[in-house]
Amino acid sequence: QVQLVQSGAEVKKPGASVKVSCKVSGYTLTELSMHWVRQAPGKGLEWMGGFDPEDGETIYAQKFQGRVTMTEDTSTDTAYMELSSLRSEDTAVYYCATCSGGDCYSYYFDYWGQGTLVTVSS
Amino acid sequence: SSELTQDPAVSVALGQTVRITCQGDSLRSYYASWYQQKPGQAPVLVIYGKNNRPSGIPDRFSGSSSGNTASLTITGAQAEDEADYYCNSRDSSGKGVFGGGTKLTVL
Repeated sequence: QVQLVQSGAEVKKPGASVKVSCKVSGYTLTELSMHWVRQAPGKGLEWMGGFDPEDGETIYAQKFQGRVTMTEDTSTDTAYMELSSLRSEDTAVYYCATCSGGDCYSYYFDYWGQGTLVTVSS
Repeated sequence: SSELTQDPAVSVALGQTVRITCQGDSLRSYYASWYQQKPGQAPVLVIYGKNNRPSGIPDRFSGSSSGNTASLTITGAQAEDEADYYCNSRDSSGKGVFGGGTKLTVL
């Protein structure tokens, strides 16, 4: 059983950066394909990026290229998502989500973190 | 970029069967997965792969696919199935994508 526990809510000013963490337990990070998904208030789910097991690389959505960095610390089994140059439209709940199976190439996510609300406001 | 299209809203009478669809070119190559999301909660995976249900998901949920269309069927909808449903998949470049979501109302 995988558990994903995310860091707490953040309030940031426009132009700042935010770094959200996602602590894994029950599995090691190297056994998982970790992705990040966000949801603006009243809106749908939006894939931001994640690990593609087909080519072994982290892929970012075009929309966030140059602004997002996803990293992993395997010594602590913690994944991070850093988003820079924040604007009001980045106000959203950010989720880490992972596939724990051996067939994750279709990007299904069987475990989710509890979500981290990031509010961007001056 | 790849896109997945869902109907914004669907309704079903209690105990009846409802199908929620998801269309996109990437579904010709990759399976869709389906998520249920209730207000204030994280999404929950209900269907993945060809037609697989994670442990704990009732067997009234099933999935199918044909061409560029994936479907989630709820056979005998219950009041607790009222929620938003999202499909997701990926494209050949590794980009993931979610559908816009379908709000299911159980009457």
